[in-house]
Formats: sequence, C-alpha cells, structure tokens
Amino acid sequence: GAVVSQHPSWVICKSGTSVKIECRSLDFQATTMFWYRQFPKQSLMLMATSNEGSKATYEQGVEKDKFLINHASLTLSTLTVTSAHPEDSSFYICSAHIGPVMNTEAFFGQGTRLTVV
Amino acid sequence: RKEVEQDPGPFNVPEGATVAFNCTYSNSASQSFFWYRQDCRKEPKLLMSVYSSGNEDGRFTAQLNRASQYISLLIRDSKLSDSATYLCAVHYAGKSTFGDGTTLTVKP
Repeated sequence: GAVVSQHPSWVICKSGTSVKIECRSLDFQATTMFWYRQFPKQSLMLMATSNEGSKATYEQGVEKDKFLINHASLTLSTLTVTSAHPEDSSFYICSAHIGPVMNTEAFFGQGTRLTVV
Repeated sequence: RKEVEQDPGPFNVPEGATVAFNCTYSNSASQSFFWYRQDCRKEPKLLMSVYSSGNEDGRFTAQLNRASQYISLLIRDSKLSDSATYLCAVHYAGKSTFGDGTTLTVKP
C-alpha cells in the first residue's frame, strides 16, 4: 500500500488563484520531504526540500515566494502555488524516505496534475 | 552537462526480447543508486536498488560501475507489462537526481 499520500490528484484553477497540495507520510515520520515538478516527457525536477520545523530549501531558479512550502508536522508537507499562471501547469509530486535519504529509496505520492486556465 | 544522463529511447522491442538501459552520472561521490519505473501519468515506483555487486530480481538485473560512473538495467524475456518509462536515480548529499527516463514499449 501507499506510504506517501498526496492530495488532490488533479486540480484545475483559474489564473491568479492559489492552489494548495498536501503530502502526507503514512505510518512513519518524515522530517524531510521533497517536492518535484515534471513536465511531459521530462524527468522529475527537484523544486525544494521541505524541512519539518524550519524553512524549505529551494533549488536554484525556483521562486520561494511563488511556491510556498510548509512542513508543520512530521507527517505533512504542503506546497502552495500562489498566483498560478498557465505556465505553472505541470505534474507536481512529493516524496519521502523511510530512513536516511542517503541510502534509501524514495516513496512518492500519487502526484497532482495542475492545470491553470 | 546533466548530472545524470540516460538514453531517452524510445526502445521498441518484441515480447521476449532482452533490453538494456544505461545511465551515466557525473558526481563521483554519489552515494546510492536506484532504478524506478514510471507508468504514464503515474508516480515513479522503485524497481530495484543498484549495488556494485549487482542486483538481480527475476528478469531484472541492475549493475553499478563506479569506475566508469554508470549504472545499467537489463530486462530479460520482456513482457507487454514491462512497457513504461524507466528512471535512474542517483543520491548525493541528501538529494536525489533523476535521469530523464528511458521509454520502453514491448510489442506482441
């Protein structure tokens, strides 16, 4: 069964609105979660590392004021896409590890397909 | 140069064929390596971990060559259900870097 649950699985929103995506670790605590974006026929691009109780670490080129990350508990991280634009339409996916990131596999949420119209 | 490079394919093979994918990585200090399978419009799922000693799971064999900085995945006796995109992943400093994926289509 799934160990990481992501919600919603798809969302359509209007330009200028904000969308919140939740990522939950099930039956384990995740002090670190990762947020990726994937465009069609491309790989997963790491957007940011979500750290429980502290600020997220964003990858170069990712606007932290546009992609707000909150990791308020050991089992929940949220990504809010603020003032969404059509170019933000993509597949957003989170992951977490059971154990050290260094040598354990990633468990992914089901992904969220965002369409901005 | 990308940190992790994969042959994008696509690979179109008949059922029963043997197919091999390679993935090269640039960071010699990379710590762990994995192959994931991603079906269309779904999340990636772990296929297998990759070790220097090799790792075999049924029809799938993964190898790591640290000296040449590449990992490989061999699929024997391909099935229709093997059709998917295969992503290699390299871990370093608490982060995973993924290749662009290799698309495999197995045809009857």
